[in-house]
Amino acid sequence: EAGVTQFPSHSVIEKGQTVTLRCDPISGHDNLYWYRRVMGKEIKFLLHFVKESKQDESGMPNNRFLAERTGGTYSTLKVQPAELEDSGVYFCASSQVRERSFGETQYFGPGTRLLVL
Amino acid sequence: AQKVTQAQTEISVVEKEDVTLDCVYETRDTTYYLFWYKQPPSGELVFLIRRNSFDEQNEISGRYSWNFQKSTSSFNFTITASQVVDSAVYFCALSGGHTDKLIFGTGTRLQVFP
Repeated sequence: EAGVTQFPSHSVIEKGQTVTLRCDPISGHDNLYWYRRVMGKEIKFLLHFVKESKQDESGMPNNRFLAERTGGTYSTLKVQPAELEDSGVYFCASSQVRERSFGETQYFGPGTRLLVL
Repeated sequence: AQKVTQAQTEISVVEKEDVTLDCVYETRDTTYYLFWYKQPPSGELVFLIRRNSFDEQNEISGRYSWNFQKSTSSFNFTITASQVVDSAVYFCALSGGHTDKLIFGTGTRLQVFP
């Protein structure tokens, strides 16, 4: 069974440009999460989808970030326009949905390393 | 507020030594979940273990063992007879009983030298 995949693995862009990151969750996982690790700091939650609905987007830093999950399958995270402080590693994770249950194990992708110059 | 503290930024050991990675957490939830993830040099986050707050039984998996103590809010991870392949950054994480959002510690970089 394929794990969580992310594309691209690396992206180098200039300040002001737009970048779109993609995540394909494990098949059958309705929960999809985005996290980010800025260099030297902890991994921080950005948002959570259940199928195509945004369950929690409390971690999104500002309106330059737009996440979508059309059809409840893969997700995209767009940064427009990118700023220097957006540099970091963007992780995607997925988990199963179980009724009246939390704390399901999240399985992570390899991450996208974004460098904004 | 929820918080995870991994006070050890970096640990270096020689192969075959035992090593313990510390994790201290803070939460007001009565039900919560604790996790350890491994990030090898290739970059992906690999799930190691999940522990529910109502299950304080320690767990052993091969050379890995975990010591969960609610009294001290700690969930420490021990590698016995470390190997070079254990070299990685290890993250401890917490999620509350009403959300799936993971709160991560800053990670501990473990270097195992031959």
